Amino acid sequence: GIQVEQSPPDLILQEGANSTLRCNFSDSVNNLQWFHQNPWGQLINLFYIPSGTKQNGRLSATTVATERYSLLYISSSQTTDSGVYFCAVDPGNQFYFGTGTSLTVIP
Amino acid sequence: NAGVMQNPRHLVRRRGQEARLRCSPMKGHSHVYWYRQLPEEGLKFMVYLQKENIIDESGMPKERFSAEFPKEGPSILRIQQVVRGDSAAYFCASSPLRGRSGELFFGEGSRLTVL
Repeated sequence: GIQVEQSPPDLILQEGANSTLRCNFSDSVNNLQWFHQNPWGQLINLFYIPSGTKQNGRLSATTVATERYSLLYISSSQTTDSGVYFCAVDPGNQFYFGTGTSLTVIP
Repeated sequence: NAGVMQNPRHLVRRRGQEARLRCSPMKGHSHVYWYRQLPEEGLKFMVYLQKENIIDESGMPKERFSAEFPKEGPSILRIQQVVRGDSAAYFCASSPLRGRSGELFFGEGSRLTVL
C-alpha cells in the first residue's frame, strides 16, 4: 500500500508561535485530508485538500499533488491547538493515515 | 444536521465475550468505513461498506471480526471472543461519495477495553 510519512513526529511550541507540518506520500492520490485529534480523542476535519491551497482562520494547507506532499501551517498557535495532527490520503481504494504529528502548545 | 453517531462510547468486556459497536452515518451518506486506533498509534483501515455490501475488508482480521451495513439501521462491527489485544478505539467514518469527492467525516469513536 501507499506510504504516508509525517514530520516532525513531535513538536512543542510556545503560545503564539508558528509551525509547519509536513505529509509526504509515496503514490498519486485522489483525496487528501488533514485531521486534528484533540486530547479527548475526537477527530476533527481541518481540510479536504487533494490539491491547491486552502485557508481557515489561523490554519492553512497546501497540497502539491505532483510532488506528493502536503503542508499544514498553524499560525499564532494557541493551547487549544494541542493534540495530534493526521494526514490521510486516498489513492483510490481507502484512506491511509500517517502516524501523526503530536503538537503541544505551552502557555 | 447530526454527524456520525457511534455507540457505545465506552465498552468493557471480559476475555471471550462479544463486542458489538454501532455506527449511524451522516444523513445522505451511503459509504461507511471502520478504523482501529491502538494507543499512541495512527488509524488503521479495517473495512469499507455500502448498504448491504462489503466493498473492501482487506484490513479486517481473518477471524473473530465481522462487519455489516444492513439496508435498514446502523452499521455494526462485531468482535467475537474478544482478547486483550482487541482493546482499542474503533472509529467509524462516513462519506457521501467515492472517488474525488469522498471527504471522510468521523464519529467520536467507541473505546473497547478487554479485561
